[in-house]
Amino acid sequence: GAVVSQHPSWVICKSGTSVKIECRSLDFQATTMFWYRQFPKQSLMLMATSNEGSKATYEQGVEKDKFLINHASLTLSTLTVTSAHPEDSSFYICSARDPDRGYGYTFGSGTRLTVV
Amino acid sequence: QQQVKQSPQSLIVQKGGIPIINCAYENTAFDYFPWYQQFPGKGPALLIAIRPDVSEKKEGRFTISFNKSAKQFSLHIMDSQPGDSATYFCAASIGNGNKLVFGAGTILRVKS
Repeated sequence: GAVVSQHPSWVICKSGTSVKIECRSLDFQATTMFWYRQFPKQSLMLMATSNEGSKATYEQGVEKDKFLINHASLTLSTLTVTSAHPEDSSFYICSARDPDRGYGYTFGSGTRLTVV
Repeated sequence: QQQVKQSPQSLIVQKGGIPIINCAYENTAFDYFPWYQQFPGKGPALLIAIRPDVSEKKEGRFTISFNKSAKQFSLHIMDSQPGDSATYFCAASIGNGNKLVFGAGTILRVKS
């Protein structure tokens, strides 16, 4: 089946630094990838839609200068949390859809970000 | 209009029981309704999904019932096992490749 790899699985960084999270589709090409944020015991909140070769579309209330998304190839999207603060600590998850496999969306394994 | 309302928030059943999780939506443009299972510290995994042109879909021990007129759909887990203990999310989307709208999630615990 479609495989989405997310890296790193966890990261700890200091306040004020930037962190990059990678999302790769391993066995298919994804023109669109999605980035979610999840707080403990809560649902997934869509942050942005990443489009290959063009600017990402951010959901209302998500700071695009804070959460930089780059989708430079059909198999890689990156999320960079810039000038991270403790309130950015969360579980970040990406997803993508293999267009040859119908409607199903595959999720990455997630990245636990802790800002200290 | 874009919300998907999920209930219950949490559920405890005995091994072998049939937990039922319900979701309701308002937007009739939704045409894809998946269910995801998530274990702690992991990303969601697709369990089963349904399109509005069918009323029921079964895959293994998981069944989706879909009521288009009531704008509701539910997940049934047959012969539940302790390994099914996880958080379950319903979702919906419009069209192919568009963003998913998630329900709030249901924490299921299956007691052995």
